[in-house]
Amino acid sequence: GAGVSQSPSNKVTEKGKDVELRCDPISGHTALYWYRQSLGQGLEFLIYFQGNSAPDKSGLPSDRFSAERTGGSVSTLTIQRTQQEDSAVYLCASSQGTYNEQFFGPGTRLTVL
Amino acid sequence: GQQLNQSPQSMFIQEGEDVSMNCTSSSIFNTWLWYKQEPGEGPVLLIALYKAGELTSNGRLTAQFGITRKDSFLNISASIPSDVGIYFCAGFLSGNTPLVFGKGTRLSVIA
Repeated sequence: GAGVSQSPSNKVTEKGKDVELRCDPISGHTALYWYRQSLGQGLEFLIYFQGNSAPDKSGLPSDRFSAERTGGSVSTLTIQRTQQEDSAVYLCASSQGTYNEQFFGPGTRLTVL
Repeated sequence: GQQLNQSPQSMFIQEGEDVSMNCTSSSIFNTWLWYKQEPGEGPVLLIALYKAGELTSNGRLTAQFGITRKDSFLNISASIPSDVGIYFCAGFLSGNTPLVFGKGTRLSVIA
């Protein structure tokens, strides 16, 4: 079956531009998570969605970061006015519920020049 | 706080050696998960542990959920080059909180 997919796989942008990263979770998974991973580092939690509940945005590093999940499926992470420190791999994961194992996508590698 | 302390941070071992890594916390966890991340990929779930004291194997991998519910270890026997990667522990605390991740153990295998 299809796993979690993310697009694009790589994104190079100029400082100050906006970027959108997309995540397609596993069909039927109600929970969706975004993480950020800087080079050689662990996973930094950004935001998660569970069903129709209000998302937990506690991990978003600034108001330049936002995410939406439309129709309980696809999610888009938007970074406005990108900065060089935003360069990282952005990972998406989904699970059947909040307390179930998370399955990860391959990530989007963002480079801000 | 809700931090998972994972050790060691990195390991360099010879092919064929056994590997052991662990995670500890001052908090009690309901579930422990172990993930492996290879270069350029997302983390992949290796083993899930649900009960205190539970010992689970998956091929050459063995993991245990500590009796106190505050720790877990992962062992890899007879390491091979494809074991290279970053191994993350993760856990669910009681209550309405998402998965908490350790900072990872970077494993390098020397052929």
